[in-house]
Amino acid sequence: SFVLTQPPSVSVAPGQTARITCGGNNIETKSVYWYQQKPGQAPVLVVYDDSDRPSGIRERFSGSVSGNTATLTISRVEAGDEADYYCQVWDSSSDHYVFGTGTGVTVL
Amino acid sequence: QVQLVESGGGLVKPGGSLRLSCAASGFTFSDYYMAWIRQAPGKGLEWVAYISSSNNFIYYADSVKGRFTVSRDNAENSVYLQMTSLRAEDTAVYFCARATVTYFDFWGQGTLVTVSS
Repeated sequence: SFVLTQPPSVSVAPGQTARITCGGNNIETKSVYWYQQKPGQAPVLVVYDDSDRPSGIRERFSGSVSGNTATLTISRVEAGDEADYYCQVWDSSSDHYVFGTGTGVTVL
Repeated sequence: QVQLVESGGGLVKPGGSLRLSCAASGFTFSDYYMAWIRQAPGKGLEWVAYISSSNNFIYYADSVKGRFTVSRDNAENSVYLQMTSLRAEDTAVYFCARATVTYFDFWGQGTLVTVSS
């Protein structure tokens, strides 16, 4: 089955840029989605179709994909961005949704 | 606005059964796929099952196939997850989500299922 690998944690100072990676075999052939989950809350979609933002999601959140890696970039990080972030793809070979292992973002 | 409200969670013994419900509002329910996703305590997200808008397509994660059954009632704007032969490793918060073919655009707040003797 398709596997998505994320770093367990990323730390970033306020105002700096956080980059969260999501590795998967030939991930660039799939559409990648990103979710933000704050403690005790449900996940929220922050990027869809690799790089598009849903209505209401700030421009500070952006996505990109190249080769075997997708990246969620959070610019001008704020304390409120502290959360777990998950990437996700649809694996058409198995008709399964696949989530990445998740990355906890800490704002220093 | 879109609302998804799960119910039916609780404490159940290993080998037992439980039925989760998800009531949807704020959108045309019959136009959308629906899905269940779970999260074990302190762990990541795991997709469990999805059902297409008119029941044509139903798929399950390998970890629950044969034990869980997803269904929907478009007249009642609800989706259900019947869970049988429950195991300790099924302990998790279960989220209901509105789905497209490839992702989840709105999530409920979740309901906790605890499998323990």
